[in-house]
Amino acid sequence: EAGVVQSPRYKIIEKKQPVAFWCNPISGHNTLYWYRQNLGQGPELLIRYENEEAVDDSQLPKDRFSAERLKGVDSTLKIQPAELGDSAVYLCASSPRDLLYEQYFGPGTRLTVT
Amino acid sequence: AQKVTQAQTEISVVEKEDVTLDCVYETRDTTYYLFWYKQPPSGELVFLIRRNSFDEQNEISGRYSWNFQKSTSSFNFTITASQVVDSAVYFCALSEARLIFGTGTRLQVFP
Repeated sequence: EAGVVQSPRYKIIEKKQPVAFWCNPISGHNTLYWYRQNLGQGPELLIRYENEEAVDDSQLPKDRFSAERLKGVDSTLKIQPAELGDSAVYLCASSPRDLLYEQYFGPGTRLTVT
Repeated sequence: AQKVTQAQTEISVVEKEDVTLDCVYETRDTTYYLFWYKQPPSGELVFLIRRNSFDEQNEISGRYSWNFQKSTSSFNFTITASQVVDSAVYFCALSEARLIFGTGTRLQVFP
């Protein structure tokens, strides 16, 4: 069974530029999570989807971050405009239902903002 | 407040040594889950174990063992006879409405 797929794996952009990350969860998983992991820190949840609905986006900086999960499968996380402090690894995870103990993580996208 | 503390930032051992990674948590909930994840250099978080708050039995899986003590709010992880492949960052996490991770412990196992 294929795991969580993320692309790109690495991205380098200049500040004020937009950037987007893509995630394809494990087939059949209806819960999808986006986390941000700063250097030397543990991951922090940005947003959680149940199918197409964002059920927890309280930690998402809504002034510059947006996310969507059309059709309840793939998801895209966007930053516009990017700031230097956005440099981090962005992790996507999925679970078969709203059970945190079955989260499966993708390899992440390492973003560097210069 | 809910919080996970991993006081050990980095641990270095020589192969075949035993090593214990500490985890202390804070929560007001009576029902919760605790986890350990491994993050190798490739970056992907690998699930190792889940423990619910009502199950204080220690668990052993091969060279890995976990000691959950509710009285001290600790969930420590021991690797017996460490190997170079165990080198990674290990995260302890607590489930509330979302997973709350500690800052991780980087384990380096030298041959």
